[in-house]
Amino acid sequence: DGGITQSPKYLFRKEGQNVTLSCEQNLNHDAMYWYRQDPGQGLRLIYYSQIVNDFQKGDIAEGYSVSREKKESFPLTVTSAQKNPTAFYLCAGGVNSNQPQHFGDGTRLSIL
Amino acid sequence: AQKVTQAQTEISVVEKEDVTLDCVYETRDTTYYLFWYKQPPSGELVFLIRRNSFDEQNEISGRYSWNFQKSTSSFNFTITASQVVDSAVYFCALRGEASNYKLTFGKGTLLTVNP
Repeated sequence: DGGITQSPKYLFRKEGQNVTLSCEQNLNHDAMYWYRQDPGQGLRLIYYSQIVNDFQKGDIAEGYSVSREKKESFPLTVTSAQKNPTAFYLCAGGVNSNQPQHFGDGTRLSIL
Repeated sequence: AQKVTQAQTEISVVEKEDVTLDCVYETRDTTYYLFWYKQPPSGELVFLIRRNSFDEQNEISGRYSWNFQKSTSSFNFTITASQVVDSAVYFCALRGEASNYKLTFGKGTLLTVNP
């Protein structure tokens, strides 16, 4: 089945630790996105990538890093610099501007 | 700059009632796209509809209908004869032509349909 696959579903981070969230797609989408969702805040864009080996900061990129070495993969690293990482993280893929983005099932990150 | 406002934080209705979710947007782009997504308790976002700025036709899909009015910068969503399965958070989103593929989301409306 085609889609956006995020893993793990739940993730726990210790203080001072970096953690990486996986996002894989088999939809042949050029663009991929990472969003953060907090209660009552809606979705906020962290990073996005329109082509392989290129990515841009979104609205809340501080404390996060990404890579786009393959079209199918867009992993997000939550670094120790992100002081409030507890949130629901959603990855999305898209073809072009007027088409909807397709979302994965999300990863819920918590602090131990 | 783009902005989407969903003024209703939470709505609670009884099954079979009709309910309208409001969405007001701001953009300087003359060409833009509006979207509605549904987020059930399981967490994934499900795409419901896309509307282009140059197409003001309203749309109906089963129990769902959408009212797009450029004059008031609104893109409201109505569920007719609501069902318990409609319980979810609903997001309105906007992408302007000049925004480089970036979607701007409203904060969402939590709809609870009680039996």
